[in-house]
Amino acid sequence: EAQVTQNPRYLITVTGKKLTVTCSQNMNHEYMSWYRQDPGLGLRQIYYSMNVEVTDKGDVPEGYKVSRKEKRNFPLILESPSPNQTSLYFCASSLGDRGEQYFGPGTRLTVT
Amino acid sequence: GESVGLHLPTLSVQEGDNSIINCAYSNSASDYFIWYKQESGKGPQFIIDIRSNMDKRQGQRVTVLLNKTVKHLSLQIAATQPGDSAVYFCAVTEGYQKVTFGTGTKLQVIP
Repeated sequence: EAQVTQNPRYLITVTGKKLTVTCSQNMNHEYMSWYRQDPGLGLRQIYYSMNVEVTDKGDVPEGYKVSRKEKRNFPLILESPSPNQTSLYFCASSLGDRGEQYFGPGTRLTVT
Repeated sequence: GESVGLHLPTLSVQEGDNSIINCAYSNSASDYFIWYKQESGKGPQFIIDIRSNMDKRQGQRVTVLLNKTVKHLSLQIAATQPGDSAVYFCAVTEGYQKVTFGTGTKLQVIP
């Protein structure tokens, strides 16, 4: 089954404790993105990647890092999480640079 | 940068009626537009897309209209069903995969 998986689905952590949210897709897609979703703000792009070792900032990259060492994986790293990073995070992938994005199920992160 | 807005945060329609959800964007260079549906507790799901060289595209029960002159996009859902209840987002792409989403319209279908 074609899908995007994210782990963990739920995470509660404390300020400053480094964490990684994993994202994996099994569709051999070149393009992958991370979004955060906050009430009243919709989805905002954090980072995106056009291929292995090629990443670029989206609209809200501050406080986040990403890496793309393999085509299927695109982890999101929060080196020092802060409460304003409490949000619902989605990973997505697509075949081309203009095309349908397939979204993961989301990761709800709470930073206290 | 691009800004994308939706005209109504909530839309209530009777089952069987047609629904129209609107979206406005700011960047005239935007060339690819997508509508997504998000059900509660799930990630967004692709509905339909349209490129800037078109002004209308139809799918199954859905139609997207693009007016580049006024930078306006709309999603029409025919014969709205209870299963259409969700939040609908328009998204605009300008170059590569940098995507800007609108804030979403919650569609409520009244049985």
